Amino acid sequence: DTEVTQTPKHLVMGMTNKKSLKCEQHMGHRAMYWYKQKAKKPPELMFVYSYEKLSINESVPSRFSPECPNSSLLNLHLHALQPEDSALYLCASSQRAQGASQETQYFGPGTRLLVL
Amino acid sequence: AQRVTQPEKLLSVFKGAPVELKCNYSYSGSPELFWYVQYSRQRLQLLLRHISRESIKGFTADLNKGETSFHLKKPFAQEEDSAMYYCALGTGGFKTIFGAGTRLFVKA
Repeated sequence: DTEVTQTPKHLVMGMTNKKSLKCEQHMGHRAMYWYKQKAKKPPELMFVYSYEKLSINESVPSRFSPECPNSSLLNLHLHALQPEDSALYLCASSQRAQGASQETQYFGPGTRLLVL
Repeated sequence: AQRVTQPEKLLSVFKGAPVELKCNYSYSGSPELFWYVQYSRQRLQLLLRHISRESIKGFTADLNKGETSFHLKKPFAQEEDSAMYYCALGTGGFKTIFGAGTRLFVKA
């Protein structure tokens, strides 16, 4: 399996809801990423996990809570979101080779989130 | 400041014409530069990275540290090259900054 998968494809939630986005890869990659992409804008990095440990948090509000339960899975838990959080959420993974500081990232198709 | 600038939001060329998508970066360290592409209804994917010095689908890009540029070039554009192109800067620690993107439209 050489793809990053994301579920759900679409999500509509109210501001009081709790929901989770899921990302999965079976390429043996040990770095996983969450990005947020607003319409007509580039992806913006939110979080990076390296060997299942959070290594980068780009000052993301606490209403977004990432979780990496194992090397293949990455979750993004959502709680009390605002309408301005509506966006495409992209997951990516990379090999995380020894000594590497940057690698090719493999992107999922994204989850389109609408917060009402 | 760490920044990637793609000055053209939209670039329109005729099929068979040369194409150059511009990318300039600002970074005090040793940069790693990438071009990612998103075709219609497809996921974002790597086109090429400077460290590999490859030519992919006829595209090349050379890192010019003096001009802090990483322009993407192709001598003869094809209709299937129409897509959104993002220049990306790796700043170490697996942090990546994307430029605003250039939409390339290749006319028949």
